[in-house]
Amino acid sequence: QPVVTQEPSLTVSPGGTVTLTCGSNTGAVTGGHFPYWFQQKPGQVPRTVIHDVDRKLSWTPARFSGSLLGGKAALTLSGAQPEDEADYFCLLLYGDSWVFGGGTRLTVL
Amino acid sequence: EVQLLESGGGLQQPGGSLRLSCAASGFTFSLYAMTWVRQAPGKGLEWVGGISNSGDREYYADSVKGRFTISRDNFKNTLYLQMNDVRVEDTAVYYCLKGGLLSQFDYWGQGTLVTVSS
Repeated sequence: QPVVTQEPSLTVSPGGTVTLTCGSNTGAVTGGHFPYWFQQKPGQVPRTVIHDVDRKLSWTPARFSGSLLGGKAALTLSGAQPEDEADYFCLLLYGDSWVFGGGTRLTVL
Repeated sequence: EVQLLESGGGLQQPGGSLRLSCAASGFTFSLYAMTWVRQAPGKGLEWVGGISNSGDREYYADSVKGRFTISRDNFKNTLYLQMNDVRVEDTAVYYCLKGGLLSQFDYWGQGTLVTVSS
């Protein structure tokens, strides 16, 4: 069973930039893993913010961007806002099964 | 407007069964794969499994394989999760998602809570 790793927690200052990463114990994350990023605010349903590495959905704020960086999937938040404080989960595809990372709690402080 | 509405959650004893439903609207249900994801209280997200748009292919996490079955009724625009031989560790909020292999995960339902306890 593959293991997907994320930073447990990160802090960013308002207006600052932060990068969350998503790694795999099977090797480098590639486009073939179709990386996703989901945002979940306290008490709310998760929502999809990035799919297929860097593709945004219609509701994804422009300050979020996805990429592949150093063998990992990455979510970069440029110009953090207080409302971006949330848990962020990545998701990778392995064959015909999906595996979530453990999540990163992002604090905007 | 896409809507996904889960139902069927509740309290069940270990070893029992439950069937969750997800009523879909606002899109052509039969064109999209669908997926179930769960979240145990205070924990992260776990992919449970998915089904192709036609229902001819199903995929499951190892943790539920052989106990859970995903199905769909494209005439009723409804996705199902049959949960058999439930365990305490199946306690979670279960979400249905539009999408899966070959189509993006975009919309989430509100979730339904399943509690397995004696």
